[in-house]
Amino acid sequence: DAKTTQPPSMDCAEGRAANLPCNHSTISGNEYVYWYRQIHSQGPQYIIHGLKNNETNEMASLIITEDRKSSTLILPHATLRDTAVYYCIVRVALGGGSNYKLTFGKGTLLTVNP
Amino acid sequence: NAGVTQTPKFQVLKTGQSMTLQCAQDMNHNSMYWYRQDPGMGLRLIYYSASEGTTDKGEVPNGYNVSRLNKREFSLRLESAAPSQTSVYFCASSGMSSGNEKLFFGSGTQLSVL
Repeated sequence: DAKTTQPPSMDCAEGRAANLPCNHSTISGNEYVYWYRQIHSQGPQYIIHGLKNNETNEMASLIITEDRKSSTLILPHATLRDTAVYYCIVRVALGGGSNYKLTFGKGTLLTVNP
Repeated sequence: NAGVTQTPKFQVLKTGQSMTLQCAQDMNHNSMYWYRQDPGMGLRLIYYSASEGTTDKGEVPNGYNVSRLNKREFSLRLESAAPSQTSVYFCASSGMSSGNEKLFFGSGTQLSVL
């Protein structure tokens, strides 16, 4: 399984951009990068995913390096409600079929400060 | 549209007792999953069901059984609870959207085994 490495914690000022890094140097060519977040003890929430192109949605932007060995999740204007654990995950196929698993590491605790 | 619903939210068991955690989704998803999350850790996959009538082991299946009752419901059973099974349990479901997998999570069941 492709593994990911994230810093255990980061701080960000409210209203500023939060840039969360992730290393996935063993990623295979057809493996997607997913980002989820978990606020307090709630169920994780999907944020964004990508393969090799940069992606943007209403929540965040995902920047993937050309060699695909790392990525950065960008929250453009962080708010206090963005304080959460952010998980960077490489999607891995289960068996030989079309089902996949997402292996959650320990993630990065992002604290947004007023 | 409730998404993924788990019951109960909290449960305390004595060692050796049995119980079933219930999960239902109303998004017409094919795949359903059970994860556990221990304090300070990421989520680990217990079992998954790629479609109605099929179930498969994940990373940590020992001590658990599952039933995919129908497309909506996926239950997790502890036949003889052990203190090591004290954890927060999350059910999730997914449907293939544009060929990619987004997991939708329930709010979790906090289980304590004494």
